[in-house]
Amino acid sequence: EADIYQTPRYLVIGTGKKITLECSQTMGHDKMYWYQQDPGMELHLIHYSYGVNSTEKGDLSSESTVSRIRTEHFPLTLESARPSHTSQYLCASSEASGRWYEQYFGPGTRLTVT
Amino acid sequence: AQRVTQPEKLLSVFKGAPVELKCNYSYSGSPELFWYVQYSRQRLQLLLRHISRESIKGFTADLNKGETSFHLKKPFAQEEDSAMYYCALSGGNDMRFGAGTRLTVKP
Repeated sequence: EADIYQTPRYLVIGTGKKITLECSQTMGHDKMYWYQQDPGMELHLIHYSYGVNSTEKGDLSSESTVSRIRTEHFPLTLESARPSHTSQYLCASSEASGRWYEQYFGPGTRLTVT
Repeated sequence: AQRVTQPEKLLSVFKGAPVELKCNYSYSGSPELFWYVQYSRQRLQLLLRHISRESIKGFTADLNKGETSFHLKKPFAQEEDSAMYYCALSGGNDMRFGAGTRLTVKP
């Protein structure tokens, strides 16, 4: 079944650790996104990709990095986690770069850095 | 700069009452606007988009360029409409979301 997956769903980690949040989609979408969302706040775009080997930063500055080596995979990495990185991270994809196409969201990863 | 404002964080109505969730936007070009919804323990998903001019689950939204608004309306709210609603604007290379409105429909 075509879907978008995120792992882990929940992660509690200590300061200074390196972490990778996984996102995979089986919908064949070219465009993928990472959003950061604090409770009660809007979603902020932190990274997006138009396709393989294409990555761009979003409107919210983030210390995370992303890669897009395969169409279906868009992992997000934090080299050294800090408490300020505690948030929910949502991955999404869309089928084309047209502005009217909907985005499909994964279930999210809730990250807590202690 | 593009911006989406949802002035109400919380909105509570009784079942059967009309409901309107407000959304105002700021964008210099021609906007593409959406409403997304997140039900309890479910993913964020598209509810409707203005370009389709459709009614989904009884909800409609009209783009008012003069007032730069895209309010979401339903004439008779149902308990299953209780959820978090996000207005979103697509412009340029990205999508901007509002902070969301939590709608509670009381029995």
